[in-house]
Amino acid sequence: QSVLTQPPSVSGAPGQRVTISCTGSSSNIGAGYDVNWYQQVPGTAPKLLIYGNNNRPSGVPDRFSGSKSGTSASLAITGLQAEDEADYYCQSDDNNLSGYVFGSGTKVTVL
Amino acid sequence: QVQLQQWGAGLLKPSETLSLTCVVYGGYYWNWIRQPPGKGLEWIGEINHGGSHSGSTKYNPSLKSRVTISADTSKSQFSLKLSFVTAADTAVYYCARVDCSGGTCYFDNWGQGTLVTVSS
Repeated sequence: QSVLTQPPSVSGAPGQRVTISCTGSSSNIGAGYDVNWYQQVPGTAPKLLIYGNNNRPSGVPDRFSGSKSGTSASLAITGLQAEDEADYYCQSDDNNLSGYVFGSGTKVTVL
Repeated sequence: QVQLQQWGAGLLKPSETLSLTCVVYGGYYWNWIRQPPGKGLEWIGEINHGGSHSGSTKYNPSLKSRVTISADTSKSQFSLKLSFVTAADTAVYYCARVDCSGGTCYFDNWGQGTLVTVSS
């Protein structure tokens, strides 16, 4: 059971906007730790998508954006494209674990 | 983003020791993460690379009694050993580098993953 909770799946038509929530607690996101997001195409390693809540690494399209508030964070994908079909994971630090925690993962389907 | 290179045995019997190695350059911390088939990511542990705490480790409490992460900085390699494996340890194991920028740290580079299957 993951420490950070995400919806199992979200879907949208090409061009639409979808959001993925990541709910934590006072020992992780609520403790002030930053949230990072990763995209994982099945059969491949995760790829850094958003770091420090809302920063994109070089090469990541600006269709992807992140935000954080209180004990939760969100990833938004605008102008959804077929290539965005993948699993998405949030990640933060956790005081109870004294280490890193991941979200349960969300599968994005482009209709 | 650069893909790290990792290797190790892919098929183990129960009670054996899992052993994986990864080549990594730079970064602040070197980590191991695993993903059981069809499931999410689980952090295993980390070794500090460089600085005053170089060589220090921290582990997921759920695995701490069976895990050892070590590093050979002269070869830019670090290794994972997980003892007394069971079928529950069957997973794809990833090495990953943590880098830090602007006061935040994140997994910026990952290995290609190694599927480790535990079966009698």
